[in-house]
Amino acid sequence: DAKTTQPPSMDCAEGRAANLPCNHSTISGNEYVYWYRQIHSQGPQYIIHGLKNNETNEMASLIITEDRKSSTLILPHATLRDTAVYYCIVRRGGVSNDYKLSFGAGTTVTVRA
Amino acid sequence: NAGVTQTPKFRVLKTGQSMTLLCAQDMNHEYMYWYRQDPGMGLRLIHYSVGEGTTAKGEVPDGYNVSRLKKQNFLLGLESAAPSQTSVYFCASSYSILGTEKNTEAFFGQGTRLTVV
Repeated sequence: DAKTTQPPSMDCAEGRAANLPCNHSTISGNEYVYWYRQIHSQGPQYIIHGLKNNETNEMASLIITEDRKSSTLILPHATLRDTAVYYCIVRRGGVSNDYKLSFGAGTTVTVRA
Repeated sequence: NAGVTQTPKFRVLKTGQSMTLLCAQDMNHEYMYWYRQDPGMGLRLIHYSVGEGTTAKGEVPDGYNVSRLKKQNFLLGLESAAPSQTSVYFCASSYSILGTEKNTEAFFGQGTRLTVV
């Protein structure tokens, strides 16, 4: 699976949008971009995933560049409860039965009042 | 619908003791995983299973064994605990539909905090 690069930390003001970048320059055509987050000491929680089109759900939006070498997770209106470590993961999907996730260090996001 | 349940939530072991961590899921998922997380680090895969009766090694399998006798349960065993196995252990499960990437997100338990002294 392709490796990802994320900034180690970032701050965000409550109520503002949080834009979390992820670089995955070695991504291949059948690899998906997944985002999970881990709120202090809890198990990771799925947020969103995508292949090449932008995706949106009730939690966030995922913007993937046209060349797929990077992506941005957008939390539209950050709240204090969004303070967490956010993981960007690239994983083969579709025809593969390899559903393992490889977690890096992630980005520690702190939402401030 | 409980999701993924881990038992126990906390445990202290003495070096050389053995124990089994239990993971149970009620979502009829094919895939189950055991991860460990050390302070300030991401999760590392220990073992995983792609179906009942099957297991496979992850990136850090040494010192652990697993079994998947029933689809809903995935057991992680430590035969002779060592201080290096002090960690937080997370179990996860996911569904699989070959040929599509829908509903394939993993669901995680709340973790087991293990200390080996």
